[in-house]
Amino acid sequence: SQELEQSPQSLIVQEGKNLTINCTSSKTLYGLYWYKQKYGEGLIFLMMLQKGGEEKSHEKITAKLDEKKQQSSLHITASQPSHAGIYLCGADWSGGTSYGKLTFGQGTILTVHP
Amino acid sequence: KAGVTQTPRYLIKTRGQQVTLSCSPISGHRSVSWYQQTPGQGLQFLFEYFSETQRNKGNFPGRFSGRQFSNSRSEMNVSTLELGDSALYLCASSPKGKGNTGELFFGEGSRLTVL
Repeated sequence: SQELEQSPQSLIVQEGKNLTINCTSSKTLYGLYWYKQKYGEGLIFLMMLQKGGEEKSHEKITAKLDEKKQQSSLHITASQPSHAGIYLCGADWSGGTSYGKLTFGQGTILTVHP
Repeated sequence: KAGVTQTPRYLIKTRGQQVTLSCSPISGHRSVSWYQQTPGQGLQFLFEYFSETQRNKGNFPGRFSGRQFSNSRSEMNVSTLELGDSALYLCASSPKGKGNTGELFFGEGSRLTVL
């Protein structure tokens, strides 16, 4: 089983619908990063969470890190075609010793139909 | 402010050759890390640099190497290329040092095809 598991693997929604992507870690998270990627392109930084219970929002995207710091969720409200892409979560398990080492989940492919 | 810049964006090599990829971090960022992305293995950590020193290395063979210069720019090299090295190579930079990586920003990547 994956040490950092994302679910679902793919998601197809109608424009305007809400959706949630989950990221579950087998270890305590020192930091949890969310990125969006268009196929074959670079990763666009969305949010970083570090504190248990932390919640951050940007436009229509909200990310939360649970109290035990082993799971995060990304929620998109009123989805739009521009939200389509691959969403990746990246875990920092270093406990503060790394400079940029993340372990990534396998990604969630989001399709939004107009 | 310019983002993370990677060159070249696309390149084609043949087996046995070597390749060098370049990464210019965001101005003021001192940490640079490299990742390999393939359809089968996903996004995997290669190595990370801070103050011209490699601080951490992923589980890749010795054919993969890198370095960081005094201006924080970084290069990675892959020698004796194999077909399986075909991938998108991504560079990321961070403004923080050890202990709090802060936000990690990625470049557009270098797409390597090995024939």
